[in-house]
Amino acid sequence: GDSVTQMEGPVTLSEEAFLTINCTYTATGYPSLFWYVQYPGEGLQLLLKATKADDKGSNKGFEATYRKETTSFHLEKGSVQVSDSAVYFCALRGQAGTALIFGKGTTLSVSS
Amino acid sequence: DGGITQSPKYLFRKEGQNVTLSCEQNLNHDAMYWYRQDPGQGLRLIYYSQIVNDFQKGDIAEGYSVSREKKESFPLTVTSAQKNPTAFYLCASSSPGTAKEATQYFGPGTRLLVL
Repeated sequence: GDSVTQMEGPVTLSEEAFLTINCTYTATGYPSLFWYVQYPGEGLQLLLKATKADDKGSNKGFEATYRKETTSFHLEKGSVQVSDSAVYFCALRGQAGTALIFGKGTTLSVSS
Repeated sequence: DGGITQSPKYLFRKEGQNVTLSCEQNLNHDAMYWYRQDPGQGLRLIYYSQIVNDFQKGDIAEGYSVSREKKESFPLTVTSAQKNPTAFYLCASSSPGTAKEATQYFGPGTRLLVL
C-alpha cells in the first residue's frame, strides 16, 4: 500500500542555518503531496502542497518540489528561525476519497 | 471565523468508561476525519466520513465508534474496549470534498488521559 518515509529526528540547527528534511513516498499513480507543521500542544497546519510532478510548493520561506523520478518531496528552507521549531509531517493522498497517509514526523529544534 | 473546534482540550477516562470527543466545523466541508497521535508514531486514521450518515473504518478503528448525523459534527466515542486510549486525538475536515488535491484542515486536538 501507499506509504511515506521521513528522515528521523530530531534535527538541531542554529538560527540562519539551511534546512532539509527528507521525504520519500511509495504510491501507485500520481499522488498529491503535502507538508504539515505542528507546534507544541496544537493541531496540524498545512505548510505547502504539490499536486503533480515537478510542481513546487512554497510558503513562509519553505519550499518542496514534487520529484516523480525519485519519488521524493524534500522540505527546504534557506535560513531557519527559532520560531520554526516544531514537528514537520510529510503526507500523501493517492486517490480521491481517501484520507491522508502521514510520515512519522521530524522534530526540528532551532537555537539562537 | 471559520474553523474546526474540538472539545474538551483535556479529557480523563476512568476504567471501563466510555467517553465522547466533540468535533465541530463551520467550513461547510463534506469530509471529516479522526486521527490518533502517539509519540514517535505519526498520525493514524481511526475513522472518516465523506458524507452525512456514512463513515468508514480507518487503520485502527477497534475500540472506537463515530456518528455523522449532521454535516458540521463528527463525534468520536472511545469505548471501554479500547485498552490503551491515552493519546492526542485530532479531528480534520477537507475541501473540496474528497478530491485527491483536497487540503485537510485540523482542529486543535483533545488529549485523553486514563485515570
